[in-house]
Amino acid sequence: SQKIEQNSEALNIQEGKTATLTCNYTNYSPAYLQWYRQDPGRGPVFLLLIRENEKEKRKERLKVTFDTTLKQSLFHITASQPADSATYLCALDAGNNRKLIWGLGTSLAVNP
Amino acid sequence: GAVVSQHPSWVICKSGTSVKIECRSLDFQATTMFWYRQFPKQSLMLMATSNEGSKATYEQGVEKDKFLINHASLTLSTLTVTSAHPEDSSFYICSAAEGAGNTIYFGEGSWLTVV
Repeated sequence: SQKIEQNSEALNIQEGKTATLTCNYTNYSPAYLQWYRQDPGRGPVFLLLIRENEKEKRKERLKVTFDTTLKQSLFHITASQPADSATYLCALDAGNNRKLIWGLGTSLAVNP
Repeated sequence: GAVVSQHPSWVICKSGTSVKIECRSLDFQATTMFWYRQFPKQSLMLMATSNEGSKATYEQGVEKDKFLINHASLTLSTLTVTSAHPEDSSFYICSAAEGAGNTIYFGEGSWLTVV
């Protein structure tokens, strides 16, 4: 079955630097992959979706890459700010009725 | 942008009672809604897929008689936790898919504490 691996260790970076988070999957390549932000005690907030035929997607300070050969997606936040501190979740389509398979998320802390 | 609203945000109930959580899509019609639960520091666990006008599809291991789902309209799905027990205490989150696209919007979540 499909498994998703996100770095379980928290990522601490300095304000202004670029944060890079990794999402690896183990089985079939999904039709699309999504990144969400989740703050403590809140529901996830959709950030970006990237399809299997797209190599890269950008939205303001966010950039997502999708490498189906490596079975990996990278999520970048450039010019990071303390407000970017949150848990970032990677989710893949399960190939069935828009159900998603979720990673555990990576906690990001941006220090001022 | 699309907004999904959940109510209540917090609820405390006594063991053995039932609790209903509502999930509404405020500015779009959602033929499909999803219900998740999430324990601290755990990933989202899909409980069931709610389809408007038909029975919900439950994930393996989720008791359909305990977690009743009703999706009576294109903008509202409800999750009722029946005969709640302390182990049902968790963060319940709904999401809704807009139209035929793949973007899914989440509600703010509902904290359930069973005492």
